[in-house]
Amino acid sequence: GENVEQHPSTLSVQEGDSAVIKCTYSDSASNYFPWYKQELGKGPQLIIDIRSNVGEKKDQRIAVTLNKTAKHFSLHITETQPEDSAVYFCAARDYGGSQGNLIFGKGTKLSVKP
Amino acid sequence: GAGVSQSPRYKVAKRGQDVALRCDPISGHVSLFWYQQALGQGPEFLTYFQNEAQLDKSGLPSDRFFAERPEGSVSTLKIQRTQQEDSAVYLCASSLGDRGLTDTQYFGPGTRLTVL
Repeated sequence: GENVEQHPSTLSVQEGDSAVIKCTYSDSASNYFPWYKQELGKGPQLIIDIRSNVGEKKDQRIAVTLNKTAKHFSLHITETQPEDSAVYFCAARDYGGSQGNLIFGKGTKLSVKP
Repeated sequence: GAGVSQSPRYKVAKRGQDVALRCDPISGHVSLFWYQQALGQGPEFLTYFQNEAQLDKSGLPSDRFFAERPEGSVSTLKIQRTQQEDSAVYLCASSLGDRGLTDTQYFGPGTRLTVL
């Protein structure tokens, strides 16, 4: 089955700097890669996703890149703000005998210092 | 419209008690997933429903875990004879279509279960 590795586990940046979180996956059949933001005491909230027929996707200050050959994808947040502080999870959609459940990384705790 | 809701938000149980966790998906969503999130970890898949049919329960950790969605909308996750290792946040997610049609999963706020 699918396995997703996520790095770093913690990331601290100054307000206004960029933040990059990287994930790798194992199953070349996976074709959908969402990123979720989880604030304390809340459920994961989708912030951006990418499908395997696309190499890059942007939404204002957030961008995701996908390298299918290397089986890795990254989240880029530019001009970080204190409200970006949260735990971020990458995920891959597992088609191996399942109904498309998501396989998550272990998360990155992002702290943006004002 | 309303998002995915879950109740209760917090549940404390004594070891050996049975608990029932409820999920109200977004209206009209066909697919419903349950995930378990241990402290400091990412969510892990438990089970999947397409309408009222439970098509995948491969992630349920033991036969003490049971889920149902009898009318294809509200779902209940039941844990019998709770153990301390069951302590976690239980997340419910729903998506509009079935497998391959619509991928986006929308999560509820979760139920934090603590077993003493």
